[in-house]
Amino acid sequence: EPEVTQTPSHQVTQMGQEVILRCVPISNHLYFYWYRQILGQKVEFLVSFYNNEISEKSEIFDDQFSVERPDGSNFTLKIRSTKLEDSAMYFCATSSGGAREQFFGPGTRLTVL
Amino acid sequence: AQSVTQLGSHVSVSEGALVLLRCNYSSSVPPYLFWYVQYPNQGLQLLLKYTSAATLVKGINGFEAEFKKSETSFHLTKPSAHMSDAAEYFCAVRDSGGGADGLTFGKGTHLIIQP
Repeated sequence: EPEVTQTPSHQVTQMGQEVILRCVPISNHLYFYWYRQILGQKVEFLVSFYNNEISEKSEIFDDQFSVERPDGSNFTLKIRSTKLEDSAMYFCATSSGGAREQFFGPGTRLTVL
Repeated sequence: AQSVTQLGSHVSVSEGALVLLRCNYSSSVPPYLFWYVQYPNQGLQLLLKYTSAATLVKGINGFEAEFKKSETSFHLTKPSAHMSDAAEYFCAVRDSGGGADGLTFGKGTHLIIQP
């Protein structure tokens, strides 16, 4: 069964450093999303991406964040200058669109020290 | 704006008993509704979804949910709990718009199964 994969599974970084989180979507999916889950809290939508551009973003997705699909396969989330409060589990999700469900990857746990 | 309320951050049931996890939503347009399950240290797995077809939706692992527009509810049930059902359950809503819409999640309900 096709699945969404994410790397790395765990990333530890120092405050102020840049991090890139990677996701490989399910091959025929067209819509890509990033969500985050701070420990003990609910899953929060960050951004959706379609046709090589951002479709929708939340208030959380400020100028520190960016997304791209650099090589037509990977879908990345970059955090330019990490803060302590960026520590969270980051989930990538993909969908074939319309009313179709979003399939989630296993997540990357980001720890900012 | 959409929102989801899950009543009860923790629900404990005995093995073999009925499972009922509550979800109420608010949406300005007909919603799409989802239940996801998260096992420890894993991602989110879709249990079932409502997309304006049948109001009673059957999902995986014996779970089902009923969409009640008049009550703005989408409660999740399972007739007989199994130890393997112990997990975190999230209700989510999305406007019935295009595929780019993000999901709005509830805070989650931790289901505990007592032997």
